[in-house]
Amino acid sequence: QQQVKQSPQSLIVQKGGISIINCAYENTAFDYFPWYQQFPGKGPALLIAIRPDVSEKKEGRFTISFNKSAKQFSLHIMDSQPGDSATYFCAASHNQGGKLIFGQGTELSVKP
Amino acid sequence: DTGVSQDPRHKITKRGQNVTFRCDPISEHNRLYWYRQTLGQGPEFLTYFQNEAQLEKSRLLSNRFSAERPKGSFSTLEIQRTEQGDSAMYLCASSFGKGGPQHFGDGTRLSIL
Repeated sequence: QQQVKQSPQSLIVQKGGISIINCAYENTAFDYFPWYQQFPGKGPALLIAIRPDVSEKKEGRFTISFNKSAKQFSLHIMDSQPGDSATYFCAASHNQGGKLIFGQGTELSVKP
Repeated sequence: DTGVSQDPRHKITKRGQNVTFRCDPISEHNRLYWYRQTLGQGPEFLTYFQNEAQLEKSRLLSNRFSAERPKGSFSTLEIQRTEQGDSAMYLCASSFGKGGPQHFGDGTRLSIL
């Protein structure tokens, strides 16, 4: 029940395309869903986060879509750029900011 | 604001040795978290502090692992009698308050020979 399942494991997108990464969870007590971006040799960097009282949140080229009934959420990267090539992790926590449970990660490669 | 700082960045040690890592959180953050990340996986929670109190420990944190945050500022994570399976990236994160976003350092990569 504590798992967060992420797909796909890897993704190749052409420059200018839309990258879509999906996550699913079981624990209905989760109330905070962040996405992190990680480059090799670096720690995860917070990209965008959502709480279950909204169905969508947009920040620049990054959008989270949240489906509470399906217990799924996704990250959309619009106009993908080669600089977006990194590993992306979804995560979830409950009790407003406790420990994060991470997905397995998606390695994104944006081809020029 | 300099962000979360971890030291050392890399540690190579022989099996059976003790190692200690340090984490300096963002200055006004009262919560500090430790995670472990192995190659190709997401970070896994180890433990967290609110100020100097250690509030939760994962089952992953065997009795060879100990973490402290003595004055509610920096934290140390010690691994005694290291084993091959301890090889991983050890990440520290900090946040302000119960609902604050967690910001990560760049980690300490531990390699066991």
